[in-house]
Amino acid sequence: AQSVSQHNHHVILSEAASLELGCNYSYGGTVNLFWYVQYPGQHLQLLLKYFSGDPLVKGIKGFEAEFIKSKFSFNLRKPSVQWSDTAEYFCALDNTDKLIFGTGTRLQVFP
Amino acid sequence: NAGVTQTPKFQVLKTGQSMTLQCAQDMNHEYMSWYRQDPGMGLRLIHYSVGAGITDQGEVPNGYNVSRSTTEDFPLRLLSAAPSQTSVYFCASSLDRHGYTFGSGTRLTVV
Repeated sequence: AQSVSQHNHHVILSEAASLELGCNYSYGGTVNLFWYVQYPGQHLQLLLKYFSGDPLVKGIKGFEAEFIKSKFSFNLRKPSVQWSDTAEYFCALDNTDKLIFGTGTRLQVFP
Repeated sequence: NAGVTQTPKFQVLKTGQSMTLQCAQDMNHEYMSWYRQDPGMGLRLIHYSVGAGITDQGEVPNGYNVSRSTTEDFPLRLLSAAPSQTSVYFCASSLDRHGYTFGSGTRLTVV
């Protein structure tokens, strides 16, 4: 069965620091991969997605992610975080009609 | 175009009571899903649907029923509420699985 793992449960950074959140998935076939963000008290919003083609995908708000098939990974990056990036981040995998989420990473950014 | 609308936003139930969480979308999306979000566990799939008349179970279906009589609506029924069902519930929809739109959530407390 497919699954998604996010090993960083809680990340604390200062503004302007670089960010990398890990995401690994378990599935041997073709997958669609997503990163969603949930700001405090809000619903999930799509940051970026990968289906095929260029393994480096760019999303909104300066985020990007790199799909590495050999490592079954889809890590999220941002060169310089802002206080407004404080949120929970979810990696997700879509296969056979359903979207499966990781457990999420809570990011806190301090000024 | 209202997106995905969930009602109610908050609900308190007594153990053993039943209720229906409503989810409606006006985007003509075929794919709809229900998730529950619990601290440290991410979003777990309860039930999903790939079109009117078609539903299937997700990771945590026990205690919940769904039906999809129209493309627009995908209600989630709690048959006999239990404290373990205290959670935040999100409904999501997608046209083609290239991105899901989420509702604003229902916060349910079972006492």
